[in-house]
Amino acid sequence: QVHLQESGPGLVKPSETLSLTCSVSGDSVTSHHWSWFRQSPVKGLEWIGYVHYTENTDYNPSLGSRVTISLDTSNNQFSLSLTSVTAADTAVYYCETRGHWSQGTLVTVSA
Amino acid sequence: EIVLTQSPATLSLSPGERATLSCRASQSVPSNYLAWYQQKPGQAPRLLIYVASIRATAIPDRFSGSGSGTDFTLTISRLEPEDFAVYYCQQYGDSPWTFGLGTKVEIK
Repeated sequence: QVHLQESGPGLVKPSETLSLTCSVSGDSVTSHHWSWFRQSPVKGLEWIGYVHYTENTDYNPSLGSRVTISLDTSNNQFSLSLTSVTAADTAVYYCETRGHWSQGTLVTVSA
Repeated sequence: EIVLTQSPATLSLSPGERATLSCRASQSVPSNYLAWYQQKPGQAPRLLIYVASIRATAIPDRFSGSGSGTDFTLTISRLEPEDFAVYYCQQYGDSPWTFGLGTKVEIK
């Protein structure tokens, strides 16, 4: 059974970088796609991007160049980095692979 | 990007009734890569259907998906009490992947 668990700060200051890690059990990050999504009352469900096991990436252009998703094969994890955050980045963030979703973590952007 | 329009926004039905949810895409979804999710308050989305009509693992057969191109449908043949939730369609055939705004299925 695939299990995904996010970790990272729940509060980030404006203009700083949001960093989250997704720990994977029951599967290996050396196969498949590994995605990040977020959900807010304003924007609904939003795809952030994914990293393929080949380390190819694809990102939502709405986030511009602020987003990076990367693999950590030694720890069977993958990570999200979102720079220059504003209040509009406040959301519940999820990691996902092949229909298996994490429980979600609320990240609030506030001074 | 492909815009997905779900209708109706809210569906008020009784347990045992049939629910029919619509998802219309602004352009054809490549390879019919269209998924349906169920979400309950405080929970992550749960995958029900992928590639328009394939049920995900452990999803009851009262859930079925159909359609192709730009018009897709999720049908719940007989609503159980646990089926009252919000349902989203998502396309993953073209980047950026996009979601509809959801249909809330509520108890009448």
